[in-house]
Amino acid sequence: EPEVTQTPSHQVTQMGQEVILRCVPISNHLYFYWYRQILGQKVEFLVSFYNNEISEKSEIFDDQFSVERPDGSNFTLKIRSTKLEDSAMYFCASGRTLRSTGELFFGEGSRLTVL
Amino acid sequence: QQQVKQSPQSLIVQKGGISIINCAYENTAFDYFPWYQQFPGKGPALLIAIRPDVSEKKEGRFTISFNKSAKQFSLHIMDSQPGDSATYFCAASIETSGSRLTFGEGTQLTVNP
Repeated sequence: EPEVTQTPSHQVTQMGQEVILRCVPISNHLYFYWYRQILGQKVEFLVSFYNNEISEKSEIFDDQFSVERPDGSNFTLKIRSTKLEDSAMYFCASGRTLRSTGELFFGEGSRLTVL
Repeated sequence: QQQVKQSPQSLIVQKGGISIINCAYENTAFDYFPWYQQFPGKGPALLIAIRPDVSEKKEGRFTISFNKSAKQFSLHIMDSQPGDSATYFCAASIETSGSRLTFGEGTQLTVNP
């Protein structure tokens, strides 16, 4: 069964450092998303990406964040200068078509710990 | 107006019992209401979803009830099993615009053997 894969599973970094989280969406999916989940809290939308550009972003997704699809398979989230409050589980998700927005397939997440 | 409110925060049910989780929303533009199941260390996985043109959808032991006028929807898990123990999130989206999922706060369900 196709799945969304994410790397690394866990990253520990110092405050102020740059972090890149990587995702390989399901191959025939066209819509890509990053969500985050602070420990014990709800899953929050960060950004959606379609046709090589950002479709929508939340208020959380400020200038410290960027996304990129550098090749035909990877989808990355970069945090330029990490803050303590960026510590969370980051989930990549992908969807096949626009009308299946709710039917997203999530990866297992990348846990980011900022010290 | 974008929020989805979910209750209860946690729920303990005996094996064979019925688990009921409730959600309420404000934004009447929402037109797609999925439920996601999340096991520890895993990403959320789609469980069942409903659109507002129907009042109920059933898949196996899982049923969504939808009340458009009250802007509420709920998940019922019949004959709850220990393997159902997980965190359940309701969500809502404006499907036709490709908008993002807005999640509820989550309900941690424990089904005792």
